[in-house]
Amino acid sequence: EAGVTQFPSHSVIEKGQTVTLRCDPISGHDNLYWYRRVMGKEIKFLLHFVKESKQDESGMPNNRFLAERTGGTYSTLKVQPAELEDSGVYFCASSQEVGINEQYFGPGTRLTVT
Amino acid sequence: AQSVTQPDIHITVSEGASLELRCNYSYGATPYLFWYVQSPGQGLQLLLKYFSGDTLVQGIKGFEAEFKRSQSSFNLRKPSVHWSDAAEYFCAVGPWTSGTYKYIFGTGTRLKVLA
Repeated sequence: EAGVTQFPSHSVIEKGQTVTLRCDPISGHDNLYWYRRVMGKEIKFLLHFVKESKQDESGMPNNRFLAERTGGTYSTLKVQPAELEDSGVYFCASSQEVGINEQYFGPGTRLTVT
Repeated sequence: AQSVTQPDIHITVSEGASLELRCNYSYGATPYLFWYVQSPGQGLQLLLKYFSGDTLVQGIKGFEAEFKRSQSSFNLRKPSVHWSDAAEYFCAVGPWTSGTYKYIFGTGTRLKVLA
């Protein structure tokens, strides 16, 4: 069984540009989460999808970030326009059921904004 | 506010030595507790978890952790470290209530293993 995959693994963009990150969860997992780790800090929650619906988006930093999960399968996270402080590692995770169960994480996308 | 503290940013141990990574949390009730490991180029891999029951939890790769309610701690231990254990370790809590299932992570501890 394939794990959570993320694309690209690394992206370098200039301030003001747009970047789209993609996450493919484990097949059959209805729950998809996005997290971000800014260098030297803790991994922080961004949002949670249940199928195609946003269950919790309390961690989204501002309206430059747009997450979608059309059809309830893969998800994209778009940053537009990117700022320097958006640099970090973006993790995606998925879980089979809502509730008390573990989340399976992908390898992350390292975003560098110059 | 809920938080997780991993006081050691870096730890260096010799191969074969014992290891203890510290984790303290701040939460009003009993949280769900996790330890994850991230090796270079890999995703976060679950080592072990505590939901309820026996406070000493066994995980993969020979790791164990003990939940101590009185100390709000969930320290990770391994009796004999292998060179392949060099990685970054994250403690996380799930203060889950209806409608929200996000993790709260500590800042991580990077483990270096000397041959």
